[in-house]
Amino acid sequence: DGGITQSPKYLFRKEGQNVTLSCEQNLNHDAMYWYRQDPGQGLRLIYYSQIVNDFQKGDIAEGYSVSREKKESFPLTVTSAQKNPTAFYLCASSIGGGATDTQYFGPGTRLTVL
Amino acid sequence: GQQVMQIPQYQHVQEGEDFTTYCNSSTTLSNIQWYKQRPGGHPVFLIQLVKSGEVKKQKRLTFQFGEAKKNSSLHITATQTTDVGTYFCAGRGNNRLAFGKGNQVVVIP
Repeated sequence: DGGITQSPKYLFRKEGQNVTLSCEQNLNHDAMYWYRQDPGQGLRLIYYSQIVNDFQKGDIAEGYSVSREKKESFPLTVTSAQKNPTAFYLCASSIGGGATDTQYFGPGTRLTVL
Repeated sequence: GQQVMQIPQYQHVQEGEDFTTYCNSSTTLSNIQWYKQRPGGHPVFLIQLVKSGEVKKQKRLTFQFGEAKKNSSLHITATQTTDVGTYFCAGRGNNRLAFGKGNQVVVIP
């Protein structure tokens, strides 16, 4: 059963703690993305990676970090430097980073920082 | 950076009626994609338009790409309760895909 998995679905953390969100895909896609979704804000790109061991900042990368050590995995760390981390985080993948590639989204992780 | 604007941001639609949602860009797009996100769910790809003036249909949904490749529309006829959700357009200009803020649609039975 191919797809993208994100875990956990809901995550609670105390302010000042780093937290890592997982994203795994078995679609054999080269490109992976992290988006943040806030009410009324649409999808904002945090980081993306088009190939293993390489990634680029998106529009709102401050306070976040990623790694891409394996093709199928693209974890996102929300650091204590992120001023307002409570949000819905979506991971996506595409075959490559080409102009006509469509993106497949995971179910998302809803992070609440208390 | 590239921006894609969607209007309206919210719509309340009576079941059985038609509605349209629009997507506009200040720059020419190489293509445009539409996604739908059900309440509590994640965005799911609906369709992609590439050619100037292109029109594609999926049952009650009609997607159109403008002649100048700067705008797009999604028209839904005979709205059903299953049409509830947020519709996003995403346009690709220079390199990256930029998502609009979405049009949240509420269907009134």
